[in-house]
Amino acid sequence: EVQLVQSGAEVKKPGESLKISCKGSGYGFANYWIGWVRQMPGKGLEWMGIIYPSDSDTRYSPSFQGQVTISADKSISTAYLQWSSLKASDTAMYYCAKSGDGYNFDYWGQGTLVTVSS
Amino acid sequence: QSALTQPASVSGSPGQSITISCTGTSSDVGGYNYVSWYQQHPGKAPKLMIYDVKSRPSGVSNRFSGSKSGDTASLTISGLQAEDEADYYCSSFTDSTTPVFGGGTKLTVL
Repeated sequence: EVQLVQSGAEVKKPGESLKISCKGSGYGFANYWIGWVRQMPGKGLEWMGIIYPSDSDTRYSPSFQGQVTISADKSISTAYLQWSSLKASDTAMYYCAKSGDGYNFDYWGQGTLVTVSS
Repeated sequence: QSALTQPASVSGSPGQSITISCTGTSSDVGGYNYVSWYQQHPGKAPKLMIYDVKSRPSGVSNRFSGSKSGDTASLTISGLQAEDEADYYCSSFTDSTTPVFGGGTKLTVL
């Protein structure tokens, strides 16, 4: 069974750093893109970027370039999304998703809620 | 890379059909047959409903269908059911090789 299991909810202060994770199982993790999606409270979905774990080829959506870092460790089937200095506006639910055989994302993690507040 | 354009809301009665449009440009929807549609119920993760414009993943009802004409893709839901009430998002591959979502459409089943 394909599963993506994300790390738990986080409460942070502005300026703090954070790294959240997404662990895949039940499929060849290295050979499918992992995407990260932001959903701010009451708002729509936004693609942040995608990574191909096999060679760590990473592509960022223009709005998120330089704002976050996406990485992956194929040896432990885990992808990461990290911030070096959080802002209140980073408060959101973050989802990871696995690509299917093409440019679609067929399995999703349960989401990680990140709250940034002083 | 701008978000694709979807209507904010659509509604229909049980048993009826509705169509949600998704308008982009030749750099995304119009340039590739890689449009996907996702359903999201409140508090839940998105679910893939349609991929590659008109293909359905295993397990998705055949009441859901997709199409594309030029820069506009469409999702049609026939035989509306109460459980179809949700938010729907289109997504497309783009020239910049990262995908882009539409703004989302809230479907209300009357």
